[in-house]
Amino acid sequence: NAGVTQTPKFRVLKTGQSMTLLCAQDMNHEYMYWYRQDPGMGLRLIHYSVGEGTTAKGEVPDGYNVSRLKKQNFLLGLESAAPSQTSVYFCASSRLLMLQFFGPGTRLTVL
Amino acid sequence: KNEVEQSPQNLTAQEGEFITINCSYSVGISALHWLQQHPGGGIVSLFMLSSGKKKHGRLIATINIQEKHSSLHITASHPRDSAVYICAVYVGLQGAQKLVFGQGTRLTINP
Repeated sequence: NAGVTQTPKFRVLKTGQSMTLLCAQDMNHEYMYWYRQDPGMGLRLIHYSVGEGTTAKGEVPDGYNVSRLKKQNFLLGLESAAPSQTSVYFCASSRLLMLQFFGPGTRLTVL
Repeated sequence: KNEVEQSPQNLTAQEGEFITINCSYSVGISALHWLQQHPGGGIVSLFMLSSGKKKHGRLIATINIQEKHSSLHITASHPRDSAVYICAVYVGLQGAQKLVFGQGTRLTINP
């Protein structure tokens, strides 16, 4: 089992460019999450999904969109990247109220 | 004030010492998570608990629901335990629970 994988691992964007981060899990988990981690801020929830075809906003959703067309995949999109979105992005998955399994992270820099 | 507070923020100890990291929260929770973030950035879930105590190897986690407090203990600490330890609580309505994270405790174990 690969667990939770994220692509890409690193990316540099210019302001205004768009990109999509892909998260995939092979544990048949219902719940999937996107977090961002910034120095001194801890992990913050961007969006999450409680099942295929459903998504919901987290703590810091502005500037991001998500889709969960398949149970195993959760996509995070940035339509027009801004320097404030420079961060490390983590995806996680879990069953209801169970341990969350994290991906290795994507380091994004927006110039 | 953050909903989840950890102390201390930084902790340096010698190999073999008994380590305690504290977590206090101010909201009603469904469960509490302890996570470990390695120096390379990867995040591993250590425990999830909603009452009492759990033990895994040299790690022990306890929770007191009435006092809204949890502790993570490490016995016979080793330099490989050096990492950031993060407390997180599940909040929200059933089916929409989300994790709210503390700022983390950076632990350094010197040989």
